[in-house]
Formats: sequence, structure tokens, C-alpha cells
Amino acid sequence: DAKTTQPTSMDCAEGRAANLPCNHSTISGNEYVYWYRQIHSQGPQYIIHGLKNNETNEMASLIITEDRKSSTLILPHATLRDTAVYYCIVRVTADSWGKLQFGAGTQVVVTP
Amino acid sequence: AAGVIQSPRHLIKEKRETATLKCYPIPRHDTVYWYQQGPGQDPQFLISFYEKMQSDKGSIPDRFSAQQFSDYHSELNMSSLELGDSALYFCASSRAPNTEAFFGQGTRLTVV
Repeated sequence: DAKTTQPTSMDCAEGRAANLPCNHSTISGNEYVYWYRQIHSQGPQYIIHGLKNNETNEMASLIITEDRKSSTLILPHATLRDTAVYYCIVRVTADSWGKLQFGAGTQVVVTP
Repeated sequence: AAGVIQSPRHLIKEKRETATLKCYPIPRHDTVYWYQQGPGQDPQFLISFYEKMQSDKGSIPDRFSAQQFSDYHSELNMSSLELGDSALYFCASSRAPNTEAFFGQGTRLTVV
């Protein structure tokens, strides 16, 4: 599975957009980019996923570069409850049983 | 909406004892994943099941076993517990192996 690289930590002001980068330069054509977050000791929470097109849902937007080697998760209006560790995961979907391999995520702290 | 249910939420066992963790997936989800998260660590994939058959295996110790039952719930059995088994154990489910996985709130196992 392709590896991902994320910043160790980020601070964001409440009410502002949070842009979380992820590098996945070795991603293959059949691999999706998934984002999860984990609020302290709670179960990881699914946020969004995409293959090559940009995606948006009620929680966030996912921007994937045209060469698919990097992506950005955008939380449009960060709140204090968005403080969490955010994981960018590249997931193989062809000939795979769909396990998610968590690497070192980004600790996001939203401040008032 | 119904979520993944894990029980118990907390469990304290002594060394060399046995523990059983249970996971009840979201209705109509046929795939279950188990993860272990040690203190200060990222979640690590243990094992997964699809349609009651083991589908994938990660870094699960030989002392651990798991199965998925006819009603799709799953149990993780842990024997000869060691202090290092103290961790959060998460279960996730998805409606198929390569679709979004949703996590439960976890079981905190403490081995003393």
C-alpha cells in the first residue's frame, strides 16, 4: 500500500478554514484516498474519500491533485470540536479486503 | 442511525487470564475489522471478516483468535493476557469490504 506523509501538528483558529495536506506520491491507480479523524480515545470517525475527483460532503472537502500525488482535506469553518488527530489513508480496493492502515496523522488543535 | 456497538466498554483482567470482546456491526454490514491501539500509538489492524469468513490478517498475536457469527457479530478472544495487551480495541464495520468503514467506541482493556 502507498505510504502517506502528513504534518505532525497544525493549529487553526476557530471559524477559519483548516487545510490539511497529505502527500502520497507512490499512490497507484486503484488506490483511494480516505480521511478519518480520532477525537481523544474515541473510535476513528470517517470523514470523506475520493479517487481522483474532488469530493465534498457535509463535513469537509477533499481536493486531490491531478497527478494524485497529494491531497488536501478542507474543514470549511473549524470549531473547537474539530480538535482531533486526522489520518490520511491510501486504501487499495482492487484484490483487497479493504483494511485501513493508519499511519502517523496530524494533530489539529482548534483555538478560540 | 445505528452505529457499531462494542462491549464491554471497559475491562480489567489479570495477567494470564482470558478476555472476550464483542462487536455488533451496523445492520446489513457484512464486513468487520478489528484494531488495537496502544497508549500513544496509532490504530493497528489485527484481523477482518467478510461474510463470516476471515478475509485478512494483520499483526494479531497467536494468543488471539476471532470469528464472525451467523448474525454477523464478531468476537475477539484473547488468552494468556500480558501487560502489553493493555490497549483500546476498536471494531469497525462496512457494508462491503471496500466501502466506508465505521468504527465503534472501543473497548479499553487493562491487564494488571
